[in-house]
Amino acid sequence: TQLLEQSPQFLSIQEGENLTVYCNSSSVFSSLQWYRQEPGEGPVLLVTVVTGGEVKKLKRLTFQFGDARKDSSLHITAAQPGDTGLYLCAGTKDSFQKLVFGTGTRLLVSP
Amino acid sequence: NAGVTQTPKFRVLKTGQSMTLLCAQDMNHEYMYWYRQDPGMGLRLIHYSVGEGTTAKGEVPDGYNVSRLKKQNFLLGLESAAPSQTSVYFCASSYPGSPYGYTFGSGTRLTVV
Repeated sequence: TQLLEQSPQFLSIQEGENLTVYCNSSSVFSSLQWYRQEPGEGPVLLVTVVTGGEVKKLKRLTFQFGDARKDSSLHITAAQPGDTGLYLCAGTKDSFQKLVFGTGTRLLVSP
Repeated sequence: NAGVTQTPKFRVLKTGQSMTLLCAQDMNHEYMYWYRQDPGMGLRLIHYSVGEGTTAKGEVPDGYNVSRLKKQNFLLGLESAAPSQTSVYFCASSYPGSPYGYTFGSGTRLTVV
């Protein structure tokens, strides 16, 4: 059962373009995290959001947690080739911090 | 470097063979997890542990066993490998209540032929 759906699944853009990745669920999560994964490596945490409506910025990346804590978005401004990778959202619902991962969005930024 | 170390990095098994994947972390994390990653399906939780000597089933536990005899180590075993277990396996660890999320290993790519 996939509780978190990401869209789009694949995105190919030119350097300098903006993009948004969506992470949606019918379930409520106590917190949501975004990871980036590069080939041959494990995912690396980008951000954690815990409050409904919360917005966090990390340089050119803006993360938002939905008011109802069921969805999230990742917006990248002026994408660079270094942003290329697999972006994963993940939510937790219990005290053991078991993460449920989204299906992933593969981003390719060309020079 | 501090973090999560997985061994081996690559392995090819024949159907029916057994093997153990080792995960070691040096961050004194309480919680440890085993996930498998398959194309288009994200990461799915196999088993997890909330402390030394404890283990619990995740979303896809069938065909796997785990042990956590020491706090820093979490072992994943395949008793009789099947082609459906071809995947990339990731170990991760975390600290209760930590805002820093999981620390992942670099993965084990397993092919069962």
